[in-house]
Amino acid sequence: DSGVTQTPKHLITATGQRVTLRCSPRSGDLSVYWYQQSLDQGLQFLIQYYNGEERAKGNILERFSAQQFPDLHSELNLSSLELGDSALYFCASSRASRANEKLFFGSGTQLSVL
Amino acid sequence: AQSVTQPDIHITVSEGASLELRCNYSYGATPYLFWYVQSPGQGLQLLLKYFSGDTLVQGIKGFEAEFKRSQSSFNLRKPSVHWSDAAEYFCAVGLLSGGYNKLIFGAGTRLAVHP
Repeated sequence: DSGVTQTPKHLITATGQRVTLRCSPRSGDLSVYWYQQSLDQGLQFLIQYYNGEERAKGNILERFSAQQFPDLHSELNLSSLELGDSALYFCASSRASRANEKLFFGSGTQLSVL
Repeated sequence: AQSVTQPDIHITVSEGASLELRCNYSYGATPYLFWYVQSPGQGLQLLLKYFSGDTLVQGIKGFEAEFKRSQSSFNLRKPSVHWSDAAEYFCAVGLLSGGYNKLIFGAGTRLAVHP
C-alpha cells in the first residue's frame, strides 16, 4: 500500500459529461501529481501541485482542471468528456518538489467514457 | 527535447532466466533516473533510482540498474526472474524544466514470465 488513496476506482460516464477524481496524498506529502495512462499515449504527466499551488503543467487539456485543497487532497475535474478521454488516471504524491523525488502512486481511477 | 526510450514493448522470459530491460534517455546533463514497476491493476512502485556516484544501483526485489553515460542508457537487470515479476516496467527521467521539476516516463516494457 503506497498510502495514496484515489476515488473512485472505476467511473463510467457518457460523452459530454463532467467528472471529478479525488486523491488523498500520503501523510506529510506536500506535492500531488496527476498522470493519464492510455494505450496509445502511455503515461502522460498532466499537472503538479505543491502545498496548494500549481507547480508544473504537462499535457493537460483545457477541458481539464485540478486543484489542491488546504488539507492537501487534490481533485482532477474533467469536463465535456470525449471518448478519447477514457484512460487510467493516476495520482502520485511526494514529500517535496525536487526532480529527484520518489513518487508514491495511487492505484488509479479507470475512466470509461461511452 | 528531453525523452525516454524503451525499445522493447513486450518481453517474454522463462522463470529463472536472466532479464535485461533497456532504457535510453535524451538529456543534456546527467538526469535523475528511475525505474518503476506497475503490477496489473496497481499503481506504479519505485524499484530503484540513480542520482550520482556509483553507476550500478541496487533496488528492491533483486533488481539492479547500470547508468552508462557514454550510451545514455540506464538498463534494468535481474539475474533470475520469478513469475511474480510479470508486470509493466517504466523507465523515467527526473529533470528541471522551466524552473519546475518534471518526471518523464518511457512507454513501458511489458514483461511476461513463462513457467
